Amino acid sequence: ILNVEQSPQSLHVQEGDSTNFTCSFPSSNFYALHWYRWETAKSPEALFVMTLNGDEKKKGRISATLNTKEGYSYLYIKGSQPEDSATYLCAPNAGNMLTFGGGTRLMVKP
Amino acid sequence: EAQVTQNPRYLITVTGKKLTVTCSQNMNHEYMSWYRQDPGLGLRQIYYSMNVEVTDKGDVPEGYKVSRKEKRNFPLILESPSPNQTSLYFCASRRTGSNQPQHFGDGTRLSIL
Repeated sequence: ILNVEQSPQSLHVQEGDSTNFTCSFPSSNFYALHWYRWETAKSPEALFVMTLNGDEKKKGRISATLNTKEGYSYLYIKGSQPEDSATYLCAPNAGNMLTFGGGTRLMVKP
Repeated sequence: EAQVTQNPRYLITVTGKKLTVTCSQNMNHEYMSWYRQDPGLGLRQIYYSMNVEVTDKGDVPEGYKVSRKEKRNFPLILESPSPNQTSLYFCASRRTGSNQPQHFGDGTRLSIL
């Protein structure tokens, strides 16, 4: 079982603040890194899938970077809005399975 | 509409009474999987299937069975449920390839008394 760590576990920010969180994973036997957004009472939804070292992906105010050599990925949210409140999950794919981290729970206060 | 459908959404049952949670996807995806989500433990993979008649254990397969007789369906079977299987379960599917995003069902909340 891969050791996947996400930090912080939870985060409270004010509307308009920019924020970022980290996903750390073993760098060996790496295929891809997934990010998912999980709102309360809903199911996880895919944000990004990244495969190459140095990859950067962007969707609106949310972006992510990937460092496969050192085994980490950052997720950035620019100008947080209340609707960004959710748990953000990362999951490296090493083979045929995804191993999810514990998630970062983001709460954005209006 | 492309979707992954799980049934039932909620179930309360008793120890030892066999149950099946169904999962169906309409996207012609080759890969399907089951996860359970428990507080403090995150999403953990139970079983997965790369294609019809091909299934493999995930990280927490004990007490579960699966089958993949058709491409669209991937039922999760609890032959003799126990209270430690009380959890929130998600089915997911994707196309072949580790760079393909997973599409999740709405979840099934099981309580085993």
